[in-house]
Parts: sequence; structure tokens; C-alpha cells
Amino acid sequence: DQQVKQNSPSLSVQEGRISILNCDYTNSMFDYFLWYKKYPAEGPTFLISISSIKDKNEDGRFTVFLNKSAKHLSLHIVPSQPGDSAVYFCAGEHGSSNTGKLIFGQGTTLQVKP
Amino acid sequence: DAGITQSPRHKVTETGTPVTLRCHQTENHRYMYWYRQDPGHGLRLIHYSYGVKDTDKGEVSDGYSVSRSKTEDFLLTLESATSSQTSVYFCAISLRGGTEAFFGQGTRLTVV
Repeated sequence: DQQVKQNSPSLSVQEGRISILNCDYTNSMFDYFLWYKKYPAEGPTFLISISSIKDKNEDGRFTVFLNKSAKHLSLHIVPSQPGDSAVYFCAGEHGSSNTGKLIFGQGTTLQVKP
Repeated sequence: DAGITQSPRHKVTETGTPVTLRCHQTENHRYMYWYRQDPGHGLRLIHYSYGVKDTDKGEVSDGYSVSRSKTEDFLLTLESATSSQTSVYFCAISLRGGTEAFFGQGTRLTVV
């Protein structure tokens, strides 16, 4: 049972344009969502997060939107840069368990073309 | 960067042999996790620890065991390695629930 799904395995955008990465979840008990970025041969690095009580969180070029009724979140990168080319994972956390366990999606590979 | 060291970084082992991967942290974080990354599956939780000697199973724990005798060390053991355990293994740490986890550089394990 895939609790977090990233249905687009890959995305290609032109430098300077917007990148939109999508993520759907089924577990309504998730109350914290995170996005991670991963370069080849490196560990994932934390990018941005959002609490389930919010619908938007912004950090520089990165904005995460949460639509709880649709169980959907998205990551917007504006403007996209070639250095943003990486695999992006979304993850949900069941906060009341207080264990910090993250359930990840399959990942989306973003390619930003110069 | 969070102080997380995984060892070894690469290992090739034969089917049926036991293998132990080590995760060492210098951050004094309470929670530690082992994930595996496979194509099409993202990152899946194997086991996690919420304190010294306190561990629990994750999504894909069969064939794996863990131990945490000190705050800073979390060991993952493949009791009898199989080819399906060929993967990249990541250790992660977090201070508490509701905060981001920090990941190590990964260990690439190949079982032949």
C-alpha cells in the first residue's frame, strides 16, 4: 500500500521557468510533510516542509502547497536553475506517533535545461 | 552538515553471508533510522531507534536486525544476505518528531 505517491517519474523544464513537482498521499493521519532533494552518490538533503495546519510555505525559490481535501501537495521552484537538477522526494510523517518516521514517495527526477 | 558517518561506503558480499552496516552520529540526536533506496520504490524504512536499546520495525524489516547500544551508533545487520538486499542503504537522524531528518552519504551494498 503506497501511502505517498509521486506519479511523475521525471520532469524536464527550461532554465528560468517554473518547475512543479506533485505528490499525493492516502494517509489522513500525516500531519507533517517534507521535500528532499538528492544528487547522485549523495544522501538526500532536506529542502522544505509544511505542517498540515498550513496550506503554503515559502523559502526563497521554493514553495510547497498543501491541499488537504485533495490529499495533494506540490513543490514549486521558481525560477528553475540547472543546479536544481536532482531527484526530489516527498515524504509524510505521522506526527502523533512522535517517532519521526518518514514515508517517502518514489521520487521525481527533475532536469533543468540551460 | 549533520555529523553522520556511514561505513563501509561500498561493499560486495556473497549470498548467505552476514553483513553489518554502521551508522555513527556526533549530533546526539535521539532518533536514528535505516532506509533502503531502490528504483521505483523511493526510500523505504527498514528499522528505527528512539533511544538506546529501543528499536522498532519499519516497512521492510524482514531479513534485517538492528542494535543501538550507544546514542551515537546504530548498526544494521543482514543476517544472511540475499540478492534482493542489493541496494543503497541510508542512515538518518532526527532530533524529534515533526522536524527534518538528516541523512548520511549512503552505503552501496551488492550481494552476489
